[in-house]
Amino acid sequence: DIQMTQSPSTLSASVGDRVTITCRASQNTGNLLAWYQQKPGKVPNLLIYRTSTLESGVPSRFSGSGSGTEFTLTISSLQADDFATYYCQQYSSYSTFGGGTKVEIK
Amino acid sequence: QVQLQQWGAGLLNPSETLSLTCAVYGGSLKGYYWSWIRQPPGKGLEWIGEVHESGGTNYSPSLKSRLIMSVDSSQNQFSLKVTSVTAADTAVYYCVRNRGSDWKQRFFDNWGQGILVTVSS
Repeated sequence: DIQMTQSPSTLSASVGDRVTITCRASQNTGNLLAWYQQKPGKVPNLLIYRTSTLESGVPSRFSGSGSGTEFTLTISSLQADDFATYYCQQYSSYSTFGGGTKVEIK
Repeated sequence: QVQLQQWGAGLLNPSETLSLTCAVYGGSLKGYYWSWIRQPPGKGLEWIGEVHESGGTNYSPSLKSRLIMSVDSSQNQFSLKVTSVTAADTAVYYCVRNRGSDWKQRFFDNWGQGILVTVSS
């Protein structure tokens, strides 16, 4: 199994901050990585797939980068609606998710 | 817009079989893989496995021995069974649509509402 490790597990930030979340894979996943946002009591929402392709309707302040075993999700200017938990997911070999990063208000 | 509606028993005794069904509205099963994902309370997401509209399956290696996934094309539904459940299987279970039928499209763009399944004696 490919293990996915996200860091940090919790991130405290303010509206307007630039936020970066890292996801590391235990094996090379190429560019087959997606990011999801989940708010409490809600289903996850696809943000980005194939490392950097923005899902339709997702604000352009979200961006993704990386390849191989290291990937990042960046929110260029954090908005109030962005406080949530974020998960990375590899789909190079079956599928596994990272443990999540909770973005909370500072 | 495709909608997924799922149902099944929410409380099980240890050793029983978990059984969930997901109906697809506003679209067809054809051309997609359909996955199940679970989330223990307060924890992260775990992909359980997927079933193709043709009936082909791929299962998480860690759960493979206890899983049965199937499709009913006539009803536009797909189902999950997990045998011999324990407390570790307590989670919200989601039925989910993969983006496509290719393994490079195994990311998830449509989710059911989720069902909390609790395993307790």
